[in-house]
Amino acid sequence: DAGVIQSPRHEVTEMGQEVTLRCKPISGHNSLFWYRQTMMRGLELLIYFNNNVPIDDSGMPEDRFSAKMPNASFSTLKIQPSEPRDSAVYFCASSRPGPPLHGYTFGSGTRLTVV
Amino acid sequence: KNQVEQSPQSLIILEGKNCTLQCNYTVSPFSNLRWYKQDTGRGPVSLTIMTFSENTKSNGRYTATLDADTKQSSLHITASQLSDSASYICVVSRLSSGGSYIPTFGRGTSLIVHP
Repeated sequence: DAGVIQSPRHEVTEMGQEVTLRCKPISGHNSLFWYRQTMMRGLELLIYFNNNVPIDDSGMPEDRFSAKMPNASFSTLKIQPSEPRDSAVYFCASSRPGPPLHGYTFGSGTRLTVV
Repeated sequence: KNQVEQSPQSLIILEGKNCTLQCNYTVSPFSNLRWYKQDTGRGPVSLTIMTFSENTKSNGRYTATLDADTKQSSLHITASQLSDSASYICVVSRLSSGGSYIPTFGRGTSLIVHP
């Protein structure tokens, strides 16, 4: 089991550019979550999917952020246009069907720096 | 408002000593509470998970307690090791009206273990 795979591990981009973060959840997990972590705000839930369908995107900061899950094995988080305040570590996590009694499995994160 | 408050914000202890981290929450309706350990540059990893009916759960040198009446939890680390240096995050999940489990994250306690 390779765990939750995120790419890239690090991304440095200029303000105004489009950024796409990628996530491959664990096979068999039907829930997928995108989080953002900063020193100031800690971990924040941005959006989560159940069976590829977005359930709650109330954590998405603004329209510049969008997320898709075209199939059970792939999800993207896109920021367009990016701004310096978007700099953070973005985590993807997945969990099994039903009550998450075994917890969420997190990826290693993508460290985004917008200059 | 669903919130998770952790204390202390940071803690420094000597190797071999015990310590206790606190978590207070206002999440409702309560489903489960988990403690995660996050090493620097890595994603969080689940340590323990407790449902409403569980008061104590152990995982090696880690022991978590839950008081659902006062909405408090603690994580006790026994005989600390240098590898325990990390951020410890309390996560409380609620069951949404749509049947999904939505987590609320604490800001974490940063633990440093000195030799």
